[in-house]
Formats: sequence, C-alpha cells, structure tokens
Amino acid sequence: DQQVKQNSPSLSVQEGRISILNCDYTNSMFDYFLWYKKYPAEGPTFLISISSIKDKNEDGRFTVFLNKSAKHLSLHIVPSQPGDSAVYFCAASYSGNTPLVFGKGTRLSVIA
Amino acid sequence: GAGVSQSPSNKVTEKGKDVELRCDPISGHTALYWYRQRLGQGLEFLIYFQGNSAPDKSGLPSDRFSAERTGESVSTLTIQRTQQEDSAVYLCASSLDALHGAFFGQGTRLTVV
Repeated sequence: DQQVKQNSPSLSVQEGRISILNCDYTNSMFDYFLWYKKYPAEGPTFLISISSIKDKNEDGRFTVFLNKSAKHLSLHIVPSQPGDSAVYFCAASYSGNTPLVFGKGTRLSVIA
Repeated sequence: GAGVSQSPSNKVTEKGKDVELRCDPISGHTALYWYRQRLGQGLEFLIYFQGNSAPDKSGLPSDRFSAERTGESVSTLTIQRTQQEDSAVYLCASSLDALHGAFFGQGTRLTVV
C-alpha cells in the first residue's frame, strides 16, 4: 500500500511558465514533508521541506504548499528553467525520527 | 569528504554470489538510510539507523539482505546469494535527523547477471 503517491509520472512545461508537481499521502501521522530532485546517474538532492504546522514554505523559485485536510502537497517552480528538468520525488516522515517514505517520482521536462 | 560517499559506484556480480556495499555518511549525521531504485521505479526504503536505537529493518525484502552500522559512521549493506531481481541502484543517505532532510550519495549500481 503506497503511503505517498505521485500520480503523474511525467510533466512537460515551457520555459518561464510555472511547474506544479503534486503529491498525495494517506498516513495522517506524517508531519514532515520533503521534495527531492534527481538527475540521471546522481543521488537525489534535497530541495525544500515543510512541517505540518505550516501550509506554505518558499525558497527562491520553489514553493511547497501543504493541505493537511486533503492530505495533499504540491511543489511550485516559477519560473521554470531547462535546468529544472529532472525527476522530482515527494517524501514524508513522522515524529522526526522515522525513515522517509518516498513517492515514485514525477519526471519534469522544461522545454526551451 | 563533505558528502555521502558510496562504494563501489558500479558492481556486476554473478547470480548466487554475495555482495557488500559501503556507505560513508556525512560526519556528525546520526541518521543513515538505505534505499534502492529499480529501473523505472521509485525509491524503495530498505533500512534506517538512528543513533543507538535499534535499526528499522522493515523495508528489507528478504533475509538475504542485512546491514550494519558502526556507531555513527560507516554502514555496509550485504546481499547474500544475489538474484537478478536484486539489480538496482542502491542509495545511501544520512541526515542530522529527519527534520533536516537527508543527503544522498551517488549510489551503487548493482547488476546481477
């Protein structure tokens, strides 16, 4: 049973536009959420996180939104750049002391 | 080094042989994770070490898989009697704790032939 779901395996966006990557979770105990970015042949790199006491966290072009009632979070990238093309993984944990549970990833392609 | 280091970067082994994968976490990181990614799949949790607590082994797929960690340093993941379905990229990550995000190594690509 997948606790963290990324239902879109791929997304294609034009350069300069907004990219919105979505993630749903089923375990209501999750209280910390993270986004990772992965290029081919590299390990995932941490992008941005949000705890359940917030509904928004912003870092430059990246903003993560959390809707606890819907058990949904999203990553917004604006403006999108070709270098953002990668696989994005959503991850969640609880109690700050549990392993991260990852979604299957969404491949983002930013077209120039 | 400054990051998480994994060795070897690539490993080709014959079915039935044992393999050992190594992870050097970032110094001072108490949490260490092993994940694997099979072709076209997401990140599959294997095992988690946090300080002196008993490791969370709930993700290990079979008793052929085991992992050790010496204190808060090096960890080794051992796969005995490898099978073709064990072929994957094995990723190690470390973090101060889950609240700080985990930093991943480059992974070990294991191919069982």
